[in-house]
Amino acid sequence: SQQGEEDPQALSIQEGENATMNCSYKTSINNLQWYRQNSGRGLVHLILIRSNEREKHSGRLRVTLDTSKKSSSLLITASRAADTASYFCATGDDYKLSFGAGTTVTVRA
Amino acid sequence: DVKVTQSSRYLVKRTGEKVFLECVQDMDHENMFWYRQDPGLGLRLIYFSYDVKMKEKGDIPEGYSVSREKKERFSLILESASTNQTSMYLCASSQGLAVTDTQYFGPGTRLTVL
Repeated sequence: SQQGEEDPQALSIQEGENATMNCSYKTSINNLQWYRQNSGRGLVHLILIRSNEREKHSGRLRVTLDTSKKSSSLLITASRAADTASYFCATGDDYKLSFGAGTTVTVRA
Repeated sequence: DVKVTQSSRYLVKRTGEKVFLECVQDMDHENMFWYRQDPGLGLRLIYFSYDVKMKEKGDIPEGYSVSREKKERFSLILESASTNQTSMYLCASSQGLAVTDTQYFGPGTRLTVL
């Protein structure tokens, strides 16, 4: 079942700009995770935010969580060409993660 | 670093063939997962295993089976491959089953069934 839905589906930005993508979900969660997938490769875990947290940072990544709106956002600051990838949010219900369809980010040089 | 490897990056098979996809992890993780990834649908869980010889169905188990004889190895089997099983298959492992547990993914196997 696809719980999280990312928005927008695709995003194109200039190197150095910020990229923001959102994730909405339907049911209550304990935590929400963000993953990155480079073209044709497996997923890499980026960050996890718990339901009692509102914001979390990791390097150039900033994640927010609004449980009242059932939504999360991922901000990548000062983007680089290497940030070109697809980004997925993953929500867990009881024992599995449910992934959205992803946001494809292209960073232009 | 956790390493999850998959036996093939690309695989081409014919309709009706029996197909084996192998996944190996080197971090002594308890749990292993098989997903398929299709454009616009995200990742969908096929099966997972929380211990040797234990397995649980995911969201789309039809047409697939799995085997976990050793802790480090989790195999996905397509009993009789069909064209609608053409997809990217991703294996993952994690230490625990809690939502908080990070999953580590292999590079994926792109399977084409002709």
